[in-house]
Amino acid sequence: GNSVTQMEGPVTLSEEAFLTINCTYTATGYPSLFWYVQYPGEGLQLLLKATKADDKGSNKGFEATYRKETTSFHLEKGSVQVSDSAVYFCARNSGNTGKLIFGQGTTLQVKP
Amino acid sequence: DGGITQSPKYLFRKEGQNVTLSCEQNLNHDAMYWYRQDPGQGLRLIYYSQIVNDFQKGDIAEGYSVSREKKESFPLTVTSAQKNPTAFYLCASTADREGTGELFFGEGSRLTVL
Repeated sequence: GNSVTQMEGPVTLSEEAFLTINCTYTATGYPSLFWYVQYPGEGLQLLLKATKADDKGSNKGFEATYRKETTSFHLEKGSVQVSDSAVYFCARNSGNTGKLIFGQGTTLQVKP
Repeated sequence: DGGITQSPKYLFRKEGQNVTLSCEQNLNHDAMYWYRQDPGQGLRLIYYSQIVNDFQKGDIAEGYSVSREKKESFPLTVTSAQKNPTAFYLCASTADREGTGELFFGEGSRLTVL
């Protein structure tokens, strides 16, 4: 099928720890891939994206590389901050309609 | 400032009542979307519209209705036929209908059925 699967949360880290949130997708062809972030009580914001294989998206210290061999788009950050506490969603596009298919979201809590 | 405005932010409804959630954008985007967010389930697509006067069902359209009479507006009606309407509803838009671009989201409307 066509879906996006993220690692289960919540993820709890201490400040300055290394973060990885796994994301894999199934699709026919090569979709565009996205990471969105949702801060408490707000809508989603685009964090980064990659539109073709081997592309690396990056923003605010976060990175993710489009790996077609493993159909993955794992999110990483070398040193998390308390302000990174949020829910992170992996997503892929679907056809040519602009709609996105989202993973279930991973809650990250960073403690000082 | 350009953006998407959803209202109301919080809404309470009695069972059996219809309720309409507003979504307005001033980004001049052609495509607009309604998603429903439930804990642990991510976002699921309810309806979307790629152009004025046209819209399509998403994955969970039953119990919902929409209209797209103006480019900037895409209201969602949650009808009494929706069996479990309590959720967080998110509206989004994009200038890129083909899916390589960014979706811009509103801040959401939280509907609680009493």
